Amino acid sequence: AQKVTQAQTEISVVEKEDVTLDCVYETRDTTYYLFWYKQPPSGELVFLIRRNSFDEQNEISGRYSWNFQKSTSSFNFTITASQVVDSAVYFCALSEAGYSSASKIIFGSGTRLSIRP
Amino acid sequence: DTGVSQDPRHKITKRGQNVTFRCDPISEHNRLYWYRQTLGQGPEFLTYFQNEAQLEKSRLLSDRFSAERPKGSFSTLEIQRTEQGDSAMYLCASSPTTDAREQYFGPGTRLTVT
Repeated sequence: AQKVTQAQTEISVVEKEDVTLDCVYETRDTTYYLFWYKQPPSGELVFLIRRNSFDEQNEISGRYSWNFQKSTSSFNFTITASQVVDSAVYFCALSEAGYSSASKIIFGSGTRLSIRP
Repeated sequence: DTGVSQDPRHKITKRGQNVTFRCDPISEHNRLYWYRQTLGQGPEFLTYFQNEAQLEKSRLLSDRFSAERPKGSFSTLEIQRTEQGDSAMYLCASSPTTDAREQYFGPGTRLTVT
């Protein structure tokens, strides 16, 4: 069975601090996708990144970076020099890949990030 | 070009009433998904359609829930005899492929059962 665990329920940091959101996943599939989504107070899910299980390269996008390690089944997300606008709930998610699958997305329970000015 | 739209955005209903939500996917997207998100949790898969065919239903989808996608375009999710435990955000997503890499989420319908 597929499962995503986000052990950090809430994190609060002061603006400009770096913060890392942890994500650990379980799957028996050899091919899968990993995702991060942001959910601001408005409630809409904002897609941040998708990684294919074959691609373990870390990725950086501005102040955001992602560390994918298959050996530890982790896909951690770091925000550098955090800003108040980063305050939101962040979800890590997993989906089987493959055109014959349902491709439903399995979400973690989320980490609520609060950035204090 | 519009994204996935959902209607209504908010619904307040009394326990025991029936409610229906609508989702309009992005044009020509073959796949359509319904998810439910309760307070403090991540979204959970409910069901999905490939065109007009409903191919999988989660055990979360009790017999009070029914979803349709006539003609493979918009979809409706109906909840009969609502219960307070049905209070949640109902999210719809559509995809142009059978692969999960492109799932586009709508803004959701927030249901409150009083």
